[in-house]
Amino acid sequence: DAGVIQSPRHEVTEMGQEVTLRCKPISGHNSLFWYRQTMMRGLELLIYFNNNVPIDDSGMPEDRFSAKMPNASFSTLKIQPSEPRDSAVYFCASSFETGTYNEQFFGPGTRLTVL
Amino acid sequence: AQTVTQSQPEMSVQEAETVTLSCTYDTSESDYYLFWYKQPPSRQMILVIRQEAYKQQNATENRFSVNFQKAAKSFSLKISDSQLGDAAMYFCAYSYNDMRFGAGTRLTVKP
Repeated sequence: DAGVIQSPRHEVTEMGQEVTLRCKPISGHNSLFWYRQTMMRGLELLIYFNNNVPIDDSGMPEDRFSAKMPNASFSTLKIQPSEPRDSAVYFCASSFETGTYNEQFFGPGTRLTVL
Repeated sequence: AQTVTQSQPEMSVQEAETVTLSCTYDTSESDYYLFWYKQPPSRQMILVIRQEAYKQQNATENRFSVNFQKAAKSFSLKISDSQLGDAAMYFCAYSYNDMRFGAGTRLTVKP
């Protein structure tokens, strides 16, 4: 299996622009997770989906952040408008079983820089 | 709120020696899960070991083992026969209804 695929790997944008991060989970996995990693706050769970349905979005920092999972093989995390403090590495992860307590397989991450 | 604390920002070990990374957590729940994840310079997060709180037996995966002390809310990771490839950031994580990570411990392995 190809593992969790994220695109782009690097994104540089200017403040105020819309940013869309993409994720393809491992085929057959039923849960998908979005994380953000920064030096100041570490690794934070932003939102997760079970069977394409958002279960907990309490980690989403602001209304500028939104996530969708239109089908079992694709998810997006959108930031609109972006701000310099959104600069971070964003990880997508998936797991076979639903819930947060199973082994999660992480993608390589997207490094976002907002100027 | 559940918090995860890793009190050692950095650790160093000689190749072939043993090292223990510390983790404590705070929770009022009785049934939860604990994890150690490894993040090498490639940035990829990799699961090292997983422990279910209702199981008293400590989890083991080859050279990696944990010392799970439920009453003390402690979950340390022991790496035996350390190898150069073990050099990475190690994150302790707790899961009940969500997933919370500690700040990480950077492990250096000296040849």
